Amino acid sequence: QVQLQESGPGLVKPSETLSLTCTVSGGSISYYYWSWIRQPPGKGLEWIGYIYYSGSTRYDPSLKSRATISQDTSKNQVSLRLSSVTAADTAVYYCARSTTDIVFDYWGQGTLVTVSS
Amino acid sequence: QSVLTQPPSASGTPGQRVTISCSGGSSNIGSDYVYWYQQFPGTAPKLLIYMNTERPSGVPDRFSGSKSGTSASLAISGLRSEDEADYYCAAWDNSLGARLFGGGTKLTVL
Repeated sequence: QVQLQESGPGLVKPSETLSLTCTVSGGSISYYYWSWIRQPPGKGLEWIGYIYYSGSTRYDPSLKSRATISQDTSKNQVSLRLSSVTAADTAVYYCARSTTDIVFDYWGQGTLVTVSS
Repeated sequence: QSVLTQPPSASGTPGQRVTISCSGGSSNIGSDYVYWYQQFPGTAPKLLIYMNTERPSGVPDRFSGSKSGTSASLAISGLRSEDEADYYCAAWDNSLGARLFGGGTKLTVL
């Protein structure tokens, strides 16, 4: 059974960089797309971007200038960095897996990141 | 405001059939598959429907999806109290080059 676990600081100061890691167990990160998705408190889902196992990435245009998704195949991990954060970036951050046809079939439990001084 | 438009709320009584709509455009729903997710408070979303109409293993056949043109619908038949949750549609947008989610619909079982 594939499991995803997000980890990282729960509190980030404004203007700093948010860094999260998604550790995948029960399967390889190869041959899949790995996305980061966030959900502000009480609001809907927002796709941030994905990385394909080949290393190619795609980002939502609204976050493209601030987001970086990377992978470490030796550790079976995918990471997100979001720079210059503001209070608007406060959200639960999820990582999720996709295939070419099936989108977001496995999700992590999510981790709440609060941006505050 | 989401590019994919869903009603913010829907409701029904146990046993009823409820439908949730998702309206988009030619660059998203009109040209790509639609996916539906179910989310309970405090938990991660769960894939409910993929490729417009397909159900992952374990999803009851009470849940069904359909798509016509630039709109899609999720139907829940034989409504149960445990179906009370938030439901999101999603699709790829070829113009934006991004995965879009609808704003979500909160389903209440009366």
